Amino acid sequence: RKEVEQDPGPFNVPEGATVAFNCTYSNSASQSFFWYRQDCRKEPKLLMSVYSSGNEDGRFTAQLNRASQYISLLIRDSKLSDSATYLCVVNDPFSGGYNKLIFGAGTRLAVHP
Amino acid sequence: EPEVTQTPSHQVTQMGQEVILRCVPISNHLYFYWYRQILGQKVEFLVSFYNNEISEKSEIFDDQFSVERPDGSNFTLKIRSTKLEDSAMYFCASSDSGGTELTEAFFGQGTRLTVV
Repeated sequence: RKEVEQDPGPFNVPEGATVAFNCTYSNSASQSFFWYRQDCRKEPKLLMSVYSSGNEDGRFTAQLNRASQYISLLIRDSKLSDSATYLCVVNDPFSGGYNKLIFGAGTRLAVHP
Repeated sequence: EPEVTQTPSHQVTQMGQEVILRCVPISNHLYFYWYRQILGQKVEFLVSFYNNEISEKSEIFDDQFSVERPDGSNFTLKIRSTKLEDSAMYFCASSDSGGTELTEAFFGQGTRLTVV
């Protein structure tokens, strides 16, 4: 089983749509969860951290379900500029406190006019 | 805003040559990392570095690879005897803390290494 699994997409949505991405992780001991955004041939950039109680940042909402080892990202009112690959990222709990990150392969989003 | 900077942005090298990829982490950060991303694949951890020594390395990070912090600002990745399969984007990252807390890792813009 892959450590972090995501639907690769692509998700093709019109501007203004709401889109949701899901991610599952294999190690129940992971404690830090993130969504990163990666534009084509660029570096990953942190979109938001994911807190146990769920959290919202503007149009973006992240949820964590520890029992199911499942993370989600909801984007409301999609903009053309949201087109990117969204990476689900968790920490490796066995990395001895050095914050090694495990990346999913990413879900590609294409927002069209 | 402070950022991680990497040089060069693109490096082309012949198979069998040695390359050094350079990174300047954010100045008050203590934890440093190298990741790589082969085209079309996911970002993979290579190595973490703390307190002037390697804290963890992946299976990819074999004897061909080495890291160094030669002075107070630079963090380098050396790849000896490059192979075609070393062609990838190499990202340097840094963070101000480790552990299990939610701490952001800041990534540099990457060095695209092409081995021919």
